Amino acid sequence: GENVEQHPSTLSVQEGDSAVIKCTYSDSASNYFPWYKQELGKRPQLIIDIRSNVGEKKDQRIAVTLNKTAKHFSLHITETQPEDSAVYFCAASGTSSKTGNQFYFGTGTSLTVIP
Amino acid sequence: SAVISQKPSRDICQRGTSLTIQCQVDSQVTMMFWYRQQPGQSLTLIATANQGSEATYESGFVIDKFPISRPNLTFSTLTVSNMSPEDSSIYLCSVESFPEGEQYFGPGTRLTVT
Repeated sequence: GENVEQHPSTLSVQEGDSAVIKCTYSDSASNYFPWYKQELGKRPQLIIDIRSNVGEKKDQRIAVTLNKTAKHFSLHITETQPEDSAVYFCAASGTSSKTGNQFYFGTGTSLTVIP
Repeated sequence: SAVISQKPSRDICQRGTSLTIQCQVDSQVTMMFWYRQQPGQSLTLIATANQGSEATYESGFVIDKFPISRPNLTFSTLTVSNMSPEDSSIYLCSVESFPEGEQYFGPGTRLTVT
């Protein structure tokens, strides 16, 4: 099955700086890569995703890049703000007619933005 | 995205008992998923619940311990049976949007087994 590795496990940045979180995956058949943000005590929320036919996607201060050859994808947050502090999870998935879009999650990155 | 609710939001249970968690969606969805998230950990898929068929369980999870029902396209239940303290965790349901294939999570059920 798919194996997703995520680094770093913790990340502290000064407000206004950029944060980068990296994930690697093992299954070349994976074709969908979402990122989730989970604040303390809350549910994971989808913040951005990318599909295998795209190399980069941007949404305001958040961007995701995908390198299919190297099997890695990254989340970039620019101009970080204290409200960006949360745990971020990457995931990789393929599609099965029986199980739908089965997600394999990374281990999470705890991001702290220091005011 | 769909509005997803779960009941109960939290519970404290005695070992050896069972708890049934409900997941309700405000629109019809084909695929629903049940995850477990232990404190400070990532999300682990327990099973996929497709309406009209038996749930598909991941390695390490069995139907006798985590029976799942999916009676219609807006509702599912997960039962945690014969609980032990190791079952203390947050249990989340998620739904898959069609045709995008995105997943959205319910608010979770925080279970403590004493």
